[in-house]
Amino acid sequence: DTGVSQNPRHKITKRGQNVTFRCDPISEHNRLYWYRQTLGQGPEFLTYFQNEAQLEKSRLLSDRFSAERPKGSFSTLEIQRTEQGDSAMYLCASRGFGTVNNSPLHFGNGTRLTVT
Amino acid sequence: RKEVEQDPGPFNVPEGATVAFNCTYSNSASQSFFWYRQDCRKEPKLLMSVYSSGNEDGRFTAQLNRASQYISLLIRDSKLSDSATYLCVVNEVGGNKLVFGAGTILRVKS
Repeated sequence: DTGVSQNPRHKITKRGQNVTFRCDPISEHNRLYWYRQTLGQGPEFLTYFQNEAQLEKSRLLSDRFSAERPKGSFSTLEIQRTEQGDSAMYLCASRGFGTVNNSPLHFGNGTRLTVT
Repeated sequence: RKEVEQDPGPFNVPEGATVAFNCTYSNSASQSFFWYRQDCRKEPKLLMSVYSSGNEDGRFTAQLNRASQYISLLIRDSKLSDSATYLCVVNEVGGNKLVFGAGTILRVKS
């Protein structure tokens, strides 16, 4: 399977715990995105990487959230001191070189986080 | 005001019907526009890009009105398999952030 891969698929954690999600993009894609989606809403932008550089981060992303893409390949999203409001589907997407018109986003299956 | 707004629906239509969705965007500098489709509990997938002159892909027609800052999607001869959430997506000029609307739910019934 050469699509975007996310792990784990599901994560249940207690409030206050830290969690880390991993995303493996399509191998030739240099751009990587993290989005969050809650029920009845569209994906909400969290952050964007071009290669290993984090070029954009949503103002909605609190200091408890951090993302890395150390070698420009896979990426991790960590949430510290989780809160119930963090419960959502966390989606990773990647796209290749070129403009958004000729290089669309490819999403992974997502990681569903439940904070109890 | 949200950057991208859509009527959430749901739109309940019979098979064979024609249905249209609209989407408005707030940033006049927006440059690229798309419709994504999301099935229940699945990831979003690109349905089609939206070009200034309008474009068609089989039963699907997308239109852009820059003056009024809205995008539309028309689905003709609806199929049961068209049932999904349709997400309007906008990208700013020179930017890499794609902003999604909340989605419009379509239910096609036999």
